[in-house]
Amino acid sequence: EPEVTQTPSHQVTQMGQEVILRCVPISNHLYFYWYRQILGQKVEFLVSFYNNEISEKSEIFDDQFSVERPDGSNFTLKIRSTKLEDSAMYFCASLRTSGYNEQFFGPGTRLTVL
Amino acid sequence: AQSVAQPEDQVNVAEGNPLTVKCTYSVSGNPYLFWYVQYPNRGLQFLLKYITGDNLVKGSYGFEAEFNKSQTSFHLKKPSALVSDSALYFCAVRDSLDSGNTPLVFGKGTRLSVIA
Repeated sequence: EPEVTQTPSHQVTQMGQEVILRCVPISNHLYFYWYRQILGQKVEFLVSFYNNEISEKSEIFDDQFSVERPDGSNFTLKIRSTKLEDSAMYFCASLRTSGYNEQFFGPGTRLTVL
Repeated sequence: AQSVAQPEDQVNVAEGNPLTVKCTYSVSGNPYLFWYVQYPNRGLQFLLKYITGDNLVKGSYGFEAEFNKSQTSFHLKKPSALVSDSALYFCAVRDSLDSGNTPLVFGKGTRLSVIA
């Protein structure tokens, strides 16, 4: 069964450093998402992406964040200058088509900012 | 704006007993409701969804959920719990008034512990 993959599974970085989180969505899916989950809190939406541009973003997704689909398979989330409060589990998700379908989630990347 | 509430942080149940994980929602239009499960070190796995039609929906691993419009609830149920059902469960909603690819709004999750 096809699945969403994410790398790395765990990333440790120093405050102020740039990080890139990588995702490979399911191959025939068209819509892509990043969510995050701060430890012990709920899953929060960051950004959605369709047709090579951002569809929607939350207030969390400020100028420090960017997304890119550099080739036909990868979908990346970049944080330019990490802050302590960026420490969280980051989930990538993909959706085949719009409508009533469920999103498929990757296993997540745990980001720890020291 | 839509919202989801999962009133219980933790649910404990003995193996073989029925389980219920509660979820209530708030939307402007009609709700599209989803349950996901998260096992340790794994991503969110889809269990079931309600879009329209029969209020009782059946999903993976023997789980089912009942949509109740008057109570704005979508509780997850299973007739006989297994130790392997122990995990973190998330309820999520999307508003029918939104476009089909809008993001999900999640509850904070309920940790289910099934005791042998």
